[in-house]
Amino acid sequence: NAGVTQTPKFRVLKTGQSMTLLCAQDMNHEYMYWYRQDPGMGLRLIHYSVGEGTTAKGEVPDGYNVSRLKKQNFLLGLESAAPSQTSVYFCASSYWRDTEAFFGQGTRLTVV
Amino acid sequence: GQQVMQIPQYQHVQEGEDFTTYCNSSTTLSNIQWYKQRPGGHPVFLIQLVKSGEVKKQKRLTFQFGEAKKNSSLHITATQTTDVGTYFCAGPNQAGTALIFGKGTTLSVSS
Repeated sequence: NAGVTQTPKFRVLKTGQSMTLLCAQDMNHEYMYWYRQDPGMGLRLIHYSVGEGTTAKGEVPDGYNVSRLKKQNFLLGLESAAPSQTSVYFCASSYWRDTEAFFGQGTRLTVV
Repeated sequence: GQQVMQIPQYQHVQEGEDFTTYCNSSTTLSNIQWYKQRPGGHPVFLIQLVKSGEVKKQKRLTFQFGEAKKNSSLHITATQTTDVGTYFCAGPNQAGTALIFGKGTTLSVSS
């Protein structure tokens, strides 16, 4: 089992460029999440999904969009990247809302 | 909005000393989870506490959930260099639909 796989692992963007981060899970989990991690800020929830075709805003959703067209995939999009979006992005999934979350390896994004 | 707070933010100990991190929520939690993130790694689930006053042990780690279900602690006895990392607590958001994490406590251990 691969678990939760994130692509890419590293990316450098120029301000104003767009990109999509892909998260794939093979555990048939209903819930999927996108977090960003910045020094001293912990893990902050960007968007999440409680099932295929659903998305919801988290704590810091501005500047990001998400889609969950297939149960196993959760995409995070940056339409116009800004330096403030330089961060490490983690995707996670869980079977249900109160169960253990499994994290991907992370994507280190730098916006210059 | 709902907040999950952790203290201390950083802790350095000598190998063999004990370590405790505390987690406090602004709202009552149905459950609390603890995760560990090694340097350069991703968060890994440690444990979940559900009942008021619950205490669980994993070898040298002791986890407690407060009676009011608004606070929790993680205590490590006789730290080892393998305990190095950041420990996060996490609880459900107000809608109960997602996990909200504290800022974490970063533990460093010198031998």
